[in-house]
Amino acid sequence: QQQVKQSPQSLIVQKGGISIINCAYENTAFDYFPWYQQFPGKGPALLIAIRPDVSEKKEGRFTISFNKSAKQFSLHIMDSQPGDSATYFCAASMRSGSEKLVFGKGTKLTVNP
Amino acid sequence: GAVVSQHPSRVICKSGTSVKIECRSLDFQATTMFWYRQFPKQSLMLMATSNEGSKATYEQGVEKDKFLINHASLTLSTLTVTSAHPEDSSFYICSAREGGLAGNTGELFFGEGSRLTVL
Repeated sequence: QQQVKQSPQSLIVQKGGISIINCAYENTAFDYFPWYQQFPGKGPALLIAIRPDVSEKKEGRFTISFNKSAKQFSLHIMDSQPGDSATYFCAASMRSGSEKLVFGKGTKLTVNP
Repeated sequence: GAVVSQHPSRVICKSGTSVKIECRSLDFQATTMFWYRQFPKQSLMLMATSNEGSKATYEQGVEKDKFLINHASLTLSTLTVTSAHPEDSSFYICSAREGGLAGNTGELFFGEGSRLTVL
């Protein structure tokens, strides 16, 4: 049973465009939703995270939108750059992140120059 | 930010041998560390949760006798792949949560990963 469903599997965006990656979860006990960025051959790095008490969080060009009733959250990358080309994973956990993370399957983003 | 170091970054071994991978939290204490396995173009699969001073908690389907985890200090956890086989070839990643008894931020910091190739 996949607890966090991520889409699309791959995404190609032109430089300057908006990249949007979506995730849906099933377990209503999840209360911590981070996004990770992973470059080839490297470990994941935390990009941005949100808790369900807010509907949106923005850090620079990265924004998380959270819809608690729909059990969905998404990552928006504004003004996408070639350097943003990486694989992005959404994740979820319980107890404010103190429990183990459940990862989505990942989205490979390619930003063309 | 907090740094988690993994060593070695790459290792090649012969089938039947054992390989140890180290995971260190360099500037914080981590009572809990996690070990993941990642196959090419796939997501991270949690193998086990490593707790300092106690036995690791393994996920369903992960052989605890094959993947030995030791968390002897607040800054070091090790994963030993015993009697390695070619199908154990993978990218192994550890993560550590900043915070000890208090101040648990919930944020996980990941190591750079260790690529194991078993011939």
